[in-house]
Amino acid sequence: GQNIDQPTEMTATEGAIVQINCTYQTSGFNGLFWYQQHAGEAPTFLSYNVLDGLEEKGRFSSFLSRSKGYSYLLLKELQMKDSASYLCAVMDSNYQLIWGAGTKLIIKP
Amino acid sequence: ETGVTQTPRHLVMGMTNKKSLKCEQHLGHNAMYWYKQSAKKPLELMFVYNFKEQTENNSVPSRFSPECPNSSHLFLHLHTLQPEDSALYLCASSPGLAGYNEQFFGPGTRLTVL
Repeated sequence: GQNIDQPTEMTATEGAIVQINCTYQTSGFNGLFWYQQHAGEAPTFLSYNVLDGLEEKGRFSSFLSRSKGYSYLLLKELQMKDSASYLCAVMDSNYQLIWGAGTKLIIKP
Repeated sequence: ETGVTQTPRHLVMGMTNKKSLKCEQHLGHNAMYWYKQSAKKPLELMFVYNFKEQTENNSVPSRFSPECPNSSHLFLHLHTLQPEDSALYLCASSPGLAGYNEQFFGPGTRLTVL
């Protein structure tokens, strides 16, 4: 079966750095997405990785290792507004997105 | 309006009611999706439409019936639902289906079935 694993919840301090991991087992791979979802709101796109390596976009970076079935989202200089759920999703061979359950990130002052 | 809109934002219905959820996208996209989001569970893909044609139906019970009259509008018709169908229903759109096609989500309809 297809499976996406990510931690249920993480806590970090304002101004710090946090890394949210995602491991996946899917039938085929056509890219990995990270989305942010604030409570009561729609998910919004953060990043896309299809090749191995690091993609940097401002305070957020996303890394992919296809051979290990592994990705992480790195958030730097954490701000209170970064408190949200972070969803990892993999596009499989049928171009369907397979979603993880999300990691709830709590930022403390 | 821009982006993806959904109405209603909240819906309470009994198990014998019939209701419809509406989604509209103003992004010129060709693909539209219905997802179900339950607490602490992954997003569940329900239906996919591409150029108004249904391309995926992920074993969704027949009490959920989608309709896509054009590339901008998507409906989800509900009838004889069960309490376990209570969830957030999200609509999304993307330029196409394959590869780097970021999905844009609407705000969702919070459905409660009594």
